Amino acid sequence: DADVTQTPRNRITKTGKRIMLECSQTKGHDRMYWYRQDPGLGLRLIYYSFDVKDINKGEISDGYSVSRQAQAKFSLSLESAIPNQTALYFCATSGTSARNTGELFFGEGSRLTVL
Amino acid sequence: EDKVVQSPLSLVVHEGDTVTLNCSYEVTNFRSLLWYKQEKKAPTFLFMLTSSGIEKKSGRLSSILDKKELFSILNITATQTGDSAVYLCAVGYLIDYKLSFGAGTTVTVRA
Repeated sequence: DADVTQTPRNRITKTGKRIMLECSQTKGHDRMYWYRQDPGLGLRLIYYSFDVKDINKGEISDGYSVSRQAQAKFSLSLESAIPNQTALYFCATSGTSARNTGELFFGEGSRLTVL
Repeated sequence: EDKVVQSPLSLVVHEGDTVTLNCSYEVTNFRSLLWYKQEKKAPTFLFMLTSSGIEKKSGRLSSILDKKELFSILNITATQTGDSAVYLCAVGYLIDYKLSFGAGTTVTVRA
C-alpha cells in the first residue's frame, strides 16, 4: 500500500459542483501539503498544515479550502468548481527528517476535470 | 516575489548523450535546493543541496549548487530511455518546510 494515498484518482465534474479530494498517510508525518500541477507551470502550493491545529495558505489558495481531520488526513475542497481548476492535484507529506533532507513524499495524484 | 526558473523547458536527446539542466532562483530565506524526477505520476526525490560547490552524485546523475550566482545544475550522463521524465527543481525555505517549484524540464531520450 502507498504511504500517501489520494482519493479519488480521477474525477470529472461540472462547473459549480462541490468537490473534495482526500489524502491519508501512514508515514506518521506532521506536515501535509496540497499542490496543483498545470502544464508549463510546475507545482504550485495551495495549502499546507504543520499539525492538526495549524493551517496555512499557499500561493494559490483562492477558491480552495482544506480540513486537517487528523494527523494522517488532510482534505482539499473546491466549494464551487470552475473550469480553470482543472489540474492534477498532489498531496505531499514531510516529517522532522525534512530538517536534513527537505524531502516531500507525494501521493499518486488526483486528476480533476471541471467541465 | 520569489522565483524558481528552469531551463530549457524541454529537450530531446539520443541514448548515450549527456544532459545538463539548469535551475536559477531568487528567493528570500533560502535553505535548500532540491531536484525531483517525475515520470507519469508522483515526483520522486533525487537530491537536496544546501552548500555551494559540493557535488551530489547518484549513479549517472549529479548536481551542484552555486549560492553566489543562485543556480543549480543537474547532469545526466550516458542517458537511457528510462531517463525520460520531467525534472523538477524546488527551493526550500528557512522558516518552514514548504517547497516552491520551477516549471520543470521535460527530457525525452530517444533510442
